[in-house]
Amino acid sequence: GENVEQHPSTLSVQEGDSAVIKCTYSDSASNYFPWYKQELGKRPQLIIDIRSNVGEKKDQRIAVTLNKTAKHFSLHITETQPEDSAVYFCATGDSNYQLIWGAGTKLIIKP
Amino acid sequence: DSGVTQTPKHLITATGQRVTLRCSPRSGDLSVYWYQQSLDQGLQFLIQYYNGEERAKGNILERFSAQQFPDLHSELNLSSLELGDSALYFCASSVDTASDIQYFGAGTRLSVL
Repeated sequence: GENVEQHPSTLSVQEGDSAVIKCTYSDSASNYFPWYKQELGKRPQLIIDIRSNVGEKKDQRIAVTLNKTAKHFSLHITETQPEDSAVYFCATGDSNYQLIWGAGTKLIIKP
Repeated sequence: DSGVTQTPKHLITATGQRVTLRCSPRSGDLSVYWYQQSLDQGLQFLIQYYNGEERAKGNILERFSAQQFPDLHSELNLSSLELGDSALYFCASSVDTASDIQYFGAGTRLSVL
């Protein structure tokens, strides 16, 4: 069945540096690729998403890139700040009824 | 605030008991999704309803059931509770399909003692 692999499971970066999280997927019909951020004890919140007709999307310090041929997409966070510390989840969706979720990446920003 | 309301926020109960979690989706959203998140784990999709009908099933135990009512609110029923059922249960809603943004409620934290 559909599968989304997310790497790394934990990422520790120095404040101010960049962080990159990558997801690979198996379903070639996937056309929607959201990223959610979940702070400790809080709800997951959408931070950025991309659809399959676009290769890259930016929103201030965050960006998502999509490579449909290779079936992978990545989240890029530049100039990391302490408030970026959280768990990040990628997911894929198509015209079916559920998102397929990655296992999550715990991002730690070191001061 | 996502517009998705979940009640209660916390629930403490004993093994063998039954509980009901409630979710009100965002205004205009027809799809409701239920997820289970155990401590330091990912999001486990349980079940989805669309406009009152079950649409997709994930890793939902037979002891668990859900329904969506005509006013589109949804309830997740957990019975014969076990210690391992202790988790955060999230409800999310979207307009329609999995290509739509899902908005999450604040979750219900269930503790089974």
